[in-house]
Amino acid sequence: RKEVEQDPGPFNVPEGATVAFNCTYSNSASQSFFWYRQDCRKEPKLLMSVYSSGNEDGRFTAQLNRASQYISLLIRDSKLSDSATYLCVVNRRSGGYQKVTFGTGTKLQVIP
Amino acid sequence: NAGVTQTPKFQVLKTGQSMTLQCAQDMNHEYMSWYRQDPGMGLRLIHYSVGAGITDQGEVPNGYNVSRSTTEDFPLRLLSAAPSQTSVYFCASSYSKGNQPQHFGDGTRLSIL
Repeated sequence: RKEVEQDPGPFNVPEGATVAFNCTYSNSASQSFFWYRQDCRKEPKLLMSVYSSGNEDGRFTAQLNRASQYISLLIRDSKLSDSATYLCVVNRRSGGYQKVTFGTGTKLQVIP
Repeated sequence: NAGVTQTPKFQVLKTGQSMTLQCAQDMNHEYMSWYRQDPGMGLRLIHYSVGAGITDQGEVPNGYNVSRSTTEDFPLRLLSAAPSQTSVYFCASSYSKGNQPQHFGDGTRLSIL
């Protein structure tokens, strides 16, 4: 089983729709969580950190469920510019340093 | 702010050639890493470093060498290029402690003929 798993999609949604992605992780010692956005042929860029209490940044809401070991990303009022691949990232401590694991990404296509 | 700088942006090699991909960061980050990204495979960790003089293997280290003589630089060497190493390579850095997010360079697109 992979340490971090995501549904690869693609998720095709109309403009204005709400869409949610989940990401599951297998190691209960995981400590910090992030969502990244990657545009085609570009580098991944940090979208938001994910906190235990949940956090919101404009149209984006991230949630963490430690009991079930998953994180989620909710995008409201989708824009064409939201079309991208969304990567889930999980960090944990290993040998005194952080071990970073990326999911393979979920592709979102917002349709006019 | 330069952030993470990768050179070159594009490179074409012949099988058997060697080359070095350069990565430099100006954020005084202890942690640096190299990933390759292939279609449908996601990011795969090649090598990483937690500080100057300390490196370790990632998920797919074969055919690659790294060194970390300074905090700023983390070059990736291809010893004898093979077509299977055709990929997009990303360098990333972060603070080592405290579970910090990664900052990425804009990638090197490498083709091996």
